[in-house]
Amino acid sequence: EADIYQTPRYLVIGTGKKITLECSQTMGHDKMYWYQQDPGMELHLIHYSYGVNSTEKGDLSSESTVSRIRTEHFPLTLESARPSHTSQYLCASTPGTGGFGYYGYTFGSGTRLTVV
Amino acid sequence: RKEVEQDPGPFNVPEGATVAFNCTYSNSASQSFFWYRQDCRKEPKLLMSVYSSGNEDGRFTAQLNRASQYISLLIRDSKLSDSATYLCVVNQKAAGNKLTFGGGTRVLVKP
Repeated sequence: EADIYQTPRYLVIGTGKKITLECSQTMGHDKMYWYQQDPGMELHLIHYSYGVNSTEKGDLSSESTVSRIRTEHFPLTLESARPSHTSQYLCASTPGTGGFGYYGYTFGSGTRLTVV
Repeated sequence: RKEVEQDPGPFNVPEGATVAFNCTYSNSASQSFFWYRQDCRKEPKLLMSVYSSGNEDGRFTAQLNRASQYISLLIRDSKLSDSATYLCVVNQKAAGNKLTFGGGTRVLVKP
């Protein structure tokens, strides 16, 4: 059972619309991430957060913005969607380090966005 | 040079055969290592962590070679369901514990 949820799974939207992709986790993880991935291509980190009120840009420049007002919630917003934003967006979280060393990420099922 | 490099493949593997592939990483300060599996149009899922002494999980064996800065994954008795892209993942504490993903190695197991 996934403890990290992304909605919607699929979204087709017109150019210029504002959209928010939702990501929520019930594991109490402080660290959360957004990745962008085109079909058959690499994952690219676009945003991350180490806790409430903490957000940073990732390695790949993105026109999207994020917020972290609650630990469990890390939404991503596109103010004005464009066809170039068509991609899969994956959210992930981790508790970071623990008694067994560093834990990997748990990913949500992703949102497949198509901008027409 | 990418921080984590993988042969993209595809590795075409007969069902029941053994396949192995490596991943090299550039930062000697890397501390934790993982293999993830990603099916087509799905999210990556943790396959196994890689420990210094090497570790095995059923048909899967992972090895770490710190001196040469690579990790490997070996799959024995390949099943059709092993067809996927395998992502090599490296963690660097100095980079805020962010994970760095390789581009993936595609494995196709055929009857």
